[in-house]
Amino acid sequence: DGGITQSPKYLFRKEGQNVTLSCEQNLNHDAMYWYRQDPGQGLRLIYYSQIVNDFQKGDIAEGYSVSREKKESFPLTVTSAQKNPTAFYLCASSQISGANVLTFGAGSRLTVL
Amino acid sequence: GQQLNQSPQSMFIQEGEDVSMNCTSSSIFNTWLWYKQEPGEGPVLLIALYKAGELTSNGRLTAQFGITRKDSFLNISASIPSDVGIYFCAGQPGAGNNRKLIWGLGTSLAVNP
Repeated sequence: DGGITQSPKYLFRKEGQNVTLSCEQNLNHDAMYWYRQDPGQGLRLIYYSQIVNDFQKGDIAEGYSVSREKKESFPLTVTSAQKNPTAFYLCASSQISGANVLTFGAGSRLTVL
Repeated sequence: GQQLNQSPQSMFIQEGEDVSMNCTSSSIFNTWLWYKQEPGEGPVLLIALYKAGELTSNGRLTAQFGITRKDSFLNISASIPSDVGIYFCAGQPGAGNNRKLIWGLGTSLAVNP
């Protein structure tokens, strides 16, 4: 079945460490997205990419970095510069033509100790 | 970033009751989407609406695209315990850079069996 796979599901890190969250999709979607979710704040866009080797900052990109070397993969690195990294991170993908209907992965929960 | 006004913020109902929630915006949208998120999982698409006045059903769920293109509602009939979760609306303003979705903060639904 086609879908989006995020890993790991749970991740703990110490302050000052970088951590990379994986996102892989086999839906043949051109666009991929990373959202951050905090209780009561809904979904906030971190980065998005509409084509390989190109990506744009979303609303809260500071302290995060991404790469898009392959169509199927869009990893997110949470750097030590992110002041409050503990959150639930969601990866999504969509077609770039027609309506922007997103398909989401199951999420990764990052906790900074 | 811009957000939609989604209400109510939370609901606690008895099994069998009908539920209604809505989203409003100060600007017009070309697409309205309704998602459901269960604890610890990613949002799952329930209904997509593509034109003003459109009324679409998915089982016990019914959603409408407001004729002003600035609002949408979601109804759930005869609620059951598995309806528990957070329901999000999302709107797409247009094409190009306006393909980015604008999200509501969610309606948290609890169902008492």
